[in-house]
Amino acid sequence: EVQLVESGGALVQSGGSLRLSCAASGFTFSNYWMSWVRQVPGKGLEWVANIKEDGDEKYSVDSVRGRFTISRDNAKNSLYLQMNSLRPDDTAVYYCARNGYKSWYDYWGQGTLVTVSS
Amino acid sequence: DIQMTQSPSTLSASVGDRVTITCRASQSISTWLAWYQQKPGTAPKFLIFEASTLQSGVPSRFSGSGSGTEFTLTITSLQPDDFATYYCQQYYNYSYTFGQGTKLEIK
Repeated sequence: EVQLVESGGALVQSGGSLRLSCAASGFTFSNYWMSWVRQVPGKGLEWVANIKEDGDEKYSVDSVRGRFTISRDNAKNSLYLQMNSLRPDDTAVYYCARNGYKSWYDYWGQGTLVTVSS
Repeated sequence: DIQMTQSPSTLSASVGDRVTITCRASQSISTWLAWYQQKPGTAPKFLIFEASTLQSGVPSRFSGSGSGTEFTLTITSLQPDDFATYYCQQYYNYSYTFGQGTKLEIK
């Protein structure tokens, strides 16, 4: 059974940093692109960043580029999101998601809440 | 960026009804479109990819169609478990944008 378990969400002050983690199991992690998708409570979904199977390609949405860094450790079956210079509008539930053959998301974690106070 | 617009934003229906949700893209995305279902407090669930292909395990009362800029998600014979919010998502280019969501509520 595919499982994705996020951790690391917290309350942080504006300008602070946070590192999210996602532990994957139930599939061959190194064979899949992986992504972070966020959702402001009560609002819609927004793709944040994704990373190729071997970590050699990474992409992110304009609003986080230069502040957030996606990475992975295939030996540990783990995905990460380093978030720096956090802003109140980064407040959201952050989901780890597995990419299907194309860039859809076929499995999602339960999400971890990041709250940035001003 | 490609903008995705869903309509309606809210849809009221009864158990047993047939409903259709529309998703429009700001430019052609061929059939690079997915649909998701989300219930309050839970992660989205993957339903459909390539506009019309059902993910394994998704009930056959769900169907998707369309290409280019206009797409639909249809649910026939609504069941109580289907009342949720539905999102479309384009994966034609790297911005991978979602629609704003359609909340399907019980009439």
